[in-house]
Amino acid sequence: EIVLTQSPGTLSLSPGERATLSCRASQTVYRNFLAWYQQKPGQPPRLLIYDASRRATGIPDRFSGSESETDFTLTISRLEPEDFAVYFCQQYSKSPPTFGPGTKVDV
Amino acid sequence: QVHLQESGPGLVKPSETLSLNCEVSGYSIINGYFWGWVRQAPGRGLEWIASVSHSAYTYYSPSHKGRATISLDTSKNRFYLNLSSVTAADTAVYFCARDAAFGGSPLYYFGHWGQGALVTVSS
Repeated sequence: EIVLTQSPGTLSLSPGERATLSCRASQTVYRNFLAWYQQKPGQPPRLLIYDASRRATGIPDRFSGSESETDFTLTISRLEPEDFAVYFCQQYSKSPPTFGPGTKVDV
Repeated sequence: QVHLQESGPGLVKPSETLSLNCEVSGYSIINGYFWGWVRQAPGRGLEWIASVSHSAYTYYSPSHKGRATISLDTSKNRFYLNLSSVTAADTAVYFCARDAAFGGSPLYYFGHWGQGALVTVSS
């Protein structure tokens, strides 16, 4: 199965700053079949990005994803207070789908 | 707006079978999409378990195939997960979710999720 590694484990930033989160795959993720989710405590994951760079319905344009074969990036251009959360990447290029361990964005 | 809600016993004894329901509202599951279960062990990442199509085709993670059974009841607009021979390693929050794929094959990413149900395996 494809193993996803996310870095950094924790990102300490302030509102208004730019956040850059990385996700590296152990194998090529074909067709850029990679998604990003946001999760807050006690809540389910929320789909942000699919196909590496397409924003899900209702997601603000400060969230963007970049495309690659094995290296993917989620960028939050200007952090809002509600963006402090854990972010997971997930590949769905090859079954079984797998998730990364997450990056926590905190203040 | 589609809404998913998990239910089931919060405590299961080791070696027994974990059974969870997912009630879907705001959408008739017979009309399409794939429906899945994803779990999250305390303080850990997410793990896909199984998915089912609106026409009852099933898909399983190799890690859970043999222990997991996913099914659906279109008359009740619900789908289910059974996980047999549980151990403490199965303690997790279990989420039901709707796959992004309407038909064909599942895409295995999920745009709609339930709130999650914590299941603890302990004697």
